[in-house]
Formats: sequence, structure tokens, C-alpha cells
Amino acid sequence: GDSVTQMEGPVTLSEEACLTINCTYTATGYPSLFWYVQYPGEGLQLLLKATKADDKGSNKGFEATYRKETTSFHLEKGSVQVSDSAVYFCALDRDDKIIFGKGTRLHILP
Amino acid sequence: DVKVTQSSRYLVKRTGEKVFLECVQDMDHENMFWYRQDPGLGLRLIYFSYDVKMKEKGDIPEGYSVSREKKERFSLILESASTNQTSMYLCASTAGPSSYEQYFGPGTRLTVT
Repeated sequence: GDSVTQMEGPVTLSEEACLTINCTYTATGYPSLFWYVQYPGEGLQLLLKATKADDKGSNKGFEATYRKETTSFHLEKGSVQVSDSAVYFCALDRDDKIIFGKGTRLHILP
Repeated sequence: DVKVTQSSRYLVKRTGEKVFLECVQDMDHENMFWYRQDPGLGLRLIYFSYDVKMKEKGDIPEGYSVSREKKERFSLILESASTNQTSMYLCASTAGPSSYEQYFGPGTRLTVT
């Protein structure tokens, strides 16, 4: 069945470092792809999304490109901040539901 | 500002108790969802609803039931709580198909002793 695999954490980086969180998916058809973020003590919120191949989603300095040929949707940011510390979930839609990856915890050190 | 609220942030219940988790959204959304979040397992869908009085099983419905009597309210019920239901429970709503953004509540951390 459809699934999402993302890199395991935790990922620890220093402030201003470059970030990549890998995400690959298995799906029939062409799902929409998402990154959600969960800040400490909060629910999830949508960070960015892409609905078709080669689309790039972007928000708050984060970017991810829908790559059909590699079935990937890696999250990137050029310079992370302490406030980016959170859990990041890659996800896809299937049959009016969302399938989430297991999440990657990110720690940014000042 | 869109809002999904959950009745409790923290809840402690005893094994065998009947537990109600309430979720309310103020966005007039059609679709509502209940997930549980566990370390190493991510989010797993328990139940969802596309309309009042409608419900559909998700991936892990066993031991749970739901109720949606009004459009804005979606309740999760643990008929007889067990220790393996200790978890974080998240409610979400969305205005349309799954490609739409899901709006999440802050979560209820339930401990069953």
C-alpha cells in the first residue's frame, strides 16, 4: 500500500547550518505531498505542499520539490534557526486521507 | 483565525473506565479526523467523518468509537480504557478533499493506569 519513509532522527544542527530531511514515498497514481511541522506542545500545522510533479512548495525559508522520477520530497532550508526546532512529518494523500511518515525530530543548537 | 480545540490537554484515567475526548472546530469544515501519535510510530488514523452522523474506520479503530452529532463536534470514545491506549490523541479538520490542509488541535495526552 501507499507509504511514506523519512529519515530517522533526531537531527541536531548548529544555528545557520543547512538542513535536508529526506522523504521518499510509495504510491499508486500521483498523490499530493506535504510537510507538516509540530512545535513543542502543539498540534501539527502545514508547512508546505506540492500537488504535482516538479512543483516546489515553499514557506518560512523551507523548500521541497516533488520528484516523480525518484519518488522523493526532501525538505531543505539553507540556514536554520533555533526556532526551527520541532518534529517534521512528510505526508501524502490517499483516498481522502493523509498518510504520515513517522516524523523527524530536529534540534537546533544556538 | 482557524481553530480546532480539544477538551483536555492532559487526562489520567483508570483501566476499564469509559473515556470521552471532545474536539470542536469553528471553521464549518465537513471532514474531521482522530489520530493517535506514539513515539517511533508517527500518526495513525483511528476514525474519520465526512459529515454529521457519518463515520469511517481508519487504520486502527479497534477499542475506539466516535460520535458526530453536530458538524463542529467530533468525539472519540474509549469504551473500556486499557493501558495500551496511553497515547497523544490529535483531532484534525479539513474543508475538502485530502489535498486540502488539515488543521490540528493541540492534542490530548491520555494516560491510562
